Amino acid sequence: GESVGLHLPTLSVQEGDNSIINCAYSNSASDYFIWYKQESGKGPQFIIDIRSNMDKRQGQRVTVLLNKTVKHLSLQIAATQPGDSAVYFCAEKVNNQGGKLIFGQGTELSVKP
Amino acid sequence: EPEVTQTPSHQVTQMGQEVILRCVPISNHLYFYWYRQILGQKVEFLVSFYNNEISEKSEIFDDQFSVERPDGSNFTLKIRSTKLEDSAMYFCASAFVAEAFFGQGTRLTVV
Repeated sequence: GESVGLHLPTLSVQEGDNSIINCAYSNSASDYFIWYKQESGKGPQFIIDIRSNMDKRQGQRVTVLLNKTVKHLSLQIAATQPGDSAVYFCAEKVNNQGGKLIFGQGTELSVKP
Repeated sequence: EPEVTQTPSHQVTQMGQEVILRCVPISNHLYFYWYRQILGQKVEFLVSFYNNEISEKSEIFDDQFSVERPDGSNFTLKIRSTKLEDSAMYFCASAFVAEAFFGQGTRLTVV
C-alpha cells in the first residue's frame, strides 16, 4: 500500500514572540544532544548542542534545556523571526566521540509575520 | 566557513541500477556518516566510518550498500542494485569529535 509520511507536530508563532520546541529522547544512556534546523530541500543545520553534565546552554537567541530525569530536551528561540521557519529536530548520541545520531520526529515551526 | 559538499544534488536511476553518491567532508574531520531521509520522515542513520573502516551500521545498511573513502578527501556511498524504496534524500555528515555537520543532500529517485 501507499506509505504515508509522519505527520509532524507543528508550532505556529507570531513574529517577535518566543518559541519553545520540545523533544522527548529515548535512551537514558545518551550523553550528548544536538538541535538541528532543516529548511525545505536542505540538510540539517547545527543550531546548538549540550552535554549531559549540563542542564542549560545558551547561544545567540537560542537556549537548550536538558532534563535528564524525564528525558526531555527543549529549544527556546527568542524573538522568533520569519527566517526561523523550518523543521527542528533534536538528536541524541550515546558516545559523544563519533557515535551515531538518533534523530527525533521533528517539529515544524511556522512564523507568522 | 568549511562545509560538507555532496554531488550530485539529484540522481534519477532505474530500479536495479548501481548508484554512487559522493561527499567531500570537512577536511580535518575524523568521523564520517551517511544518513537518509524518506520524504516527510525523520533522518535515519545508515553508517558511520572512522579510521578507514565502518564503525557502526544500521539494519538498513544491508549488503546492497557499501562505503569507501578512496582518497584523503572523498567519501562515497554505493548502492549496488537500487530498489524503489531506496528513493530518499541521502545526507553525508562529518565530525571532528562530537558536533556533526551535514551536507545539503542528494535526492535519489528510483524509477
